[in-house]
Amino acid sequence: SQELEQSPQSLIVQEGKNLTINCTSSKTLYGLYWYKQKYGEGLIFLMMLQKGGEEKSHEKITAKLDEKKQQSSLHITASQPSHAGIYLCGAEWAGSYQLTFGKGTKLSVIP
Amino acid sequence: GAGVSQSPRYKVAKRGQDVALRCDPISGHVSLFWYQQALGQGPEFLTYFQNEAQLDKSGLPSDRFFAERPEGSVSTLKIQRTQQEDSAVYLCASSFWGLNQPQHFGDGTRLSIL
Repeated sequence: SQELEQSPQSLIVQEGKNLTINCTSSKTLYGLYWYKQKYGEGLIFLMMLQKGGEEKSHEKITAKLDEKKQQSSLHITASQPSHAGIYLCGAEWAGSYQLTFGKGTKLSVIP
Repeated sequence: GAGVSQSPRYKVAKRGQDVALRCDPISGHVSLFWYQQALGQGPEFLTYFQNEAQLDKSGLPSDRFFAERPEGSVSTLKIQRTQQEDSAVYLCASSFWGLNQPQHFGDGTRLSIL
């Protein structure tokens, strides 16, 4: 959706390196969700951000939502092959229960 | 079960046939969503249920698509007179009621129309 842009489209990193994926919204977000998808499987929920300036971490993954609630980043520290997959951001707009997803970022981690 | 269950995992049909895709949500989840995911794209919203009520069907691409959740639990997505452009992965998700509730997804049904 043009309302939600993800970058980069794909990323190849060496194991142990850090990386960042960005998600930019054309309008103020009510909520922002990060998911991971492996080929042929469903989406695995990673984190949800609601408040401007919010930051959440789980293991080596950190997600942030900017103060204006229009941009989010997902940062992976010391990447591992298990981090490989497609990362999707999903936007929740005010008054709507559905999620609008970006096109995804395909991450490959080379051992 | 512990997660959202979808069946079948794979479905091959000839153009013009009708298909039915099933979703078993997480027990106790009030909200249920159907999404369509084309290859290399993010999921796109099809329809939303709150219990048995279909509150939003704005994403259904045509009147050949029909979804129901008669008892507020299991849901079925039906596609009539399938066409090649219907080939995609159909994902079901469920969540507790309300906003700011993470949606939990099933593994999807990969539909191929020949």
